[in-house]
Amino acid sequence: ELKVEQNPLFLSMQEGKNYTIYCNYSTTSDRLYWYRQDPGKSLESLFVLLSNGAVKQEGRLMASLDTKARLSTLHITAAVHDLSATYFCAVLPYGGATNKLIFGTGTLLAVQP
Amino acid sequence: EPEVTQTPSHQVTQMGQEVILRCVPISNHLYFYWYRQILGQKVEFLVSFYNNEISEKSEIFDDQFSVERPDGSNFTLKIRSTKLEDSAMYFCASTLSGANTGELFFGEGSRLTVL
Repeated sequence: ELKVEQNPLFLSMQEGKNYTIYCNYSTTSDRLYWYRQDPGKSLESLFVLLSNGAVKQEGRLMASLDTKARLSTLHITAAVHDLSATYFCAVLPYGGATNKLIFGTGTLLAVQP
Repeated sequence: EPEVTQTPSHQVTQMGQEVILRCVPISNHLYFYWYRQILGQKVEFLVSFYNNEISEKSEIFDDQFSVERPDGSNFTLKIRSTKLEDSAMYFCASTLSGANTGELFFGEGSRLTVL
């Protein structure tokens, strides 16, 4: 069974600092997603990574994918308070018939002023 | 911008009662999904639905659960006899295309509280 693990589970950081969230998965995957979730809210799609070496950036967030290492990273540059949320990676198993995403455990990010 | 809408946003029910959660997927989408998230935990796949039938379901989706597309716009999740452990946020999602293509668009969720 595909397992998706994120670390850290909780991250408290100061504004202006940089940090990286890691997402490891246990089997071959077709694609990897990063989502943001604010408390009590839905899942907002941040990035879709389709191939080995894919890198995408949006504002202060940059996501990358290494399919050989089965690792994706979400890098935060010069964090601001508005980035405080829970971040999930989600993996689509290779050869899956449907969009049955396997989600990671989530990383709760708290950016302190 | 098209969006997936869900009702109710929050429902409180007694254990053993039937609950129906409703979703209106994006209008031209063809594939529909239910996921759930128990408070503080990760999001879990429940079921996918295409062409008026279930295409895949998880072990969570037992005989107490059913899905239906009763008309051209709604997609419903029914829980026949709710249990305490069914308390969760239920997310509906839809995509235009199916396997390995297309981005999932999630609704705002329906919070179910079983007492």
